[in-house]
Amino acid sequence: GAVVSQHPSWVICKSGTSVKIECRSLDFQATTMFWYRQFPKQSLMLMATSNEGSKATYEQGVEKDKFLINHASLTLSTLTVTSAHPEDSSFYICSARSRALNQPQHFGDGTRLSIL
Amino acid sequence: DQQVKQNSPSLSVQEGRISILNCDYTNSMFDYFLWYKKYPAEGPTFLISISSIKDKNEDGRFTVFLNKSAKHLSLHIVPSQPGDSAVYFCAASVGSGTYKYIFGTGTRLKVLA
Repeated sequence: GAVVSQHPSWVICKSGTSVKIECRSLDFQATTMFWYRQFPKQSLMLMATSNEGSKATYEQGVEKDKFLINHASLTLSTLTVTSAHPEDSSFYICSARSRALNQPQHFGDGTRLSIL
Repeated sequence: DQQVKQNSPSLSVQEGRISILNCDYTNSMFDYFLWYKKYPAEGPTFLISISSIKDKNEDGRFTVFLNKSAKHLSLHIVPSQPGDSAVYFCAASVGSGTYKYIFGTGTRLKVLA
């Protein structure tokens, strides 16, 4: 149980392109989803928290117009990197948490984004 | 300011022996702690957690110890198996309602056959 699917797993695109990443909870309802970014040999850094049906809460230093997050249903959240540039190249990981108290976040397998 | 620290970037252990991974934190408001295991090109997988009202939690080969006065937690894996080779992250959160995790930098465990 508690499977989170993230798609695509790897994307390469040209500078200036917008890229959408999907995160789905397959077997539970995710009231809250989280988006992280991980640079090589570094920790997972939280970018934003999204609750179903409401606007995402962004961490300090994360541009909300650059990283658009939509959490339209209890099983789907999307992250769109708008007008991506090489410095946006990174490993992006989503996680989801169910309504139940004291349940941990369950993570997707991440998306490797490379901007040329 | 790194609120959650894993000072050992790597650890090698012989198969069958105990692996001990350590984690220190600075924020005394943290009251929920977790360990995740991560393989390359995959997302982290939840292993075990502990709340601040306990000092030990055990699940099979995995035991997490929490020392609140020292702001330190550790993960013990006994016996270690080659399949345990991965990067281990500790994470901490504040409050029961936020579930916003702060992650450490990870420790790469290698279990030698």
